Amino acid sequence: NAGVTQTPKFRILKIGQSMTLQCTQDMNHNYMYWYRQDPGMGLKLIYYSVGAGITDKGEVPNGYNVSRSTTEDFPLRLELAAPSQTSVYFCASLRAADSYEQYFGPGTRLTVT
Amino acid sequence: GIQVEQSPPDLILQEGANSTLRCNFSDSVNNLQWFHQNPWGQLINLFYIPSGTKQNGRLSATTVATERYSLLYISSSQTTDSGVYFCAVASRDTGRRALTFGSGTRLQVQP
Repeated sequence: NAGVTQTPKFRILKIGQSMTLQCTQDMNHNYMYWYRQDPGMGLKLIYYSVGAGITDKGEVPNGYNVSRSTTEDFPLRLELAAPSQTSVYFCASLRAADSYEQYFGPGTRLTVT
Repeated sequence: GIQVEQSPPDLILQEGANSTLRCNFSDSVNNLQWFHQNPWGQLINLFYIPSGTKQNGRLSATTVATERYSLLYISSSQTTDSGVYFCAVASRDTGRRALTFGSGTRLQVQP
């Protein structure tokens, strides 16, 4: 199993541009999450999904959108990028049936200038 | 929401020393995980430990859920142990099972 994979690893955006961060897991996990980590801080929840077709907001959802059309994929969309969205973005998943342990991807480092 | 406090915020050790990192949380949890974030930003899952004690090589962790704290022990520290250690918990009260992270303990191990 590859686990949780994220693309791209790095990206630089200009203010006002849009992009999609990709997240895929091959563990058949039903719960998936997007977190962001600002410099010197812990991670904060942006959006989460408890299964295909079901998504909900976390603590810091403004400026982002998500979709969950399949169990495997959970893309995060940034519309009209702003400097405040400069951060490292982590995707995670968990199985839920027998454990609460979350598995994290390697992260995407995004800079908005 | 649930609060997570980690101490100490910063720690400098000589190679070979032992250390204890603490995580206090404000509510009942059904998940507690310890992570090591290395200098390249990679988040490494150390322990999934909502209760009890686990050991993995030089690292061990104990969670006392009834008293709402967890401890991470690092023995015979090495320079590769440097980085930030995060404690993260999922509150028992929410169905989303999302993790709330502490602010981390920044560890520097000097040769």
